[in-house]
Amino acid sequence: GAVVSQHPSWVICKSGTSVKIECRSLDFQATTMFWYRQFPKQSLMLMATSNEGSKATYEQGVEKDKFLINHASLTLSTLTVTSAHPEDSSFYICSARGAGGYNEQFFGPGTRLTVL
Amino acid sequence: KQEVTQIPAALSVPEGENLVLNCSFTDSAIYNLQWFRQDPGKGLTSLLLIQSSQREQTSGRLNASLDKSSGRSTLYIAASQPGDSATYLCAVRAGGGNKLTFGTGTQLKVEL
Repeated sequence: GAVVSQHPSWVICKSGTSVKIECRSLDFQATTMFWYRQFPKQSLMLMATSNEGSKATYEQGVEKDKFLINHASLTLSTLTVTSAHPEDSSFYICSARGAGGYNEQFFGPGTRLTVL
Repeated sequence: KQEVTQIPAALSVPEGENLVLNCSFTDSAIYNLQWFRQDPGKGLTSLLLIQSSQREQTSGRLNASLDKSSGRSTLYIAASQPGDSATYLCAVRAGGGNKLTFGTGTQLKVEL
């Protein structure tokens, strides 16, 4: 299957700082990218959906000014957690899907964010 | 609103046993269904994708079936191995929609 990478794989930061997470599709063009967060022993919760070159669509309850998403190219999307607080500590997973009939969704390895 | 449920929530079997994981969804108007595997602290690995017009898909020791009208899918794992231990998630994509709705997951442990 197609490969999606995330960087960094883990990050620890102080409260109040901003953290940027990158998501790349390595061998296909991702017209749509998704960002999820996952709490321990829970399933994935969709945060936002982004199409290349367009503004992201956020799910209800997700603060768009806190979780900034940029999908500037067909292979790269970024999630910036602004002014992070301990309650933002979570496992963040990105996912990518190509256009047309190539509609399987592939997931990155995740980024563990810990805010002290 | 689509709801996806997986039964059982946890399962422990001896090595070599064949097993079935169940997934049910409330809205049958789906575009496709995917089964994923997630190892602790890791992302998701796509196992099988079944389009709404298909009844089953097979990959190695894995076989997934789909009964859209009854809102059910099963993942069959043959001759289970300790390396199969992981959490298995099913997810459905709504017809005409863009998002996946995930199930609650089944945590599988295959013991020696």
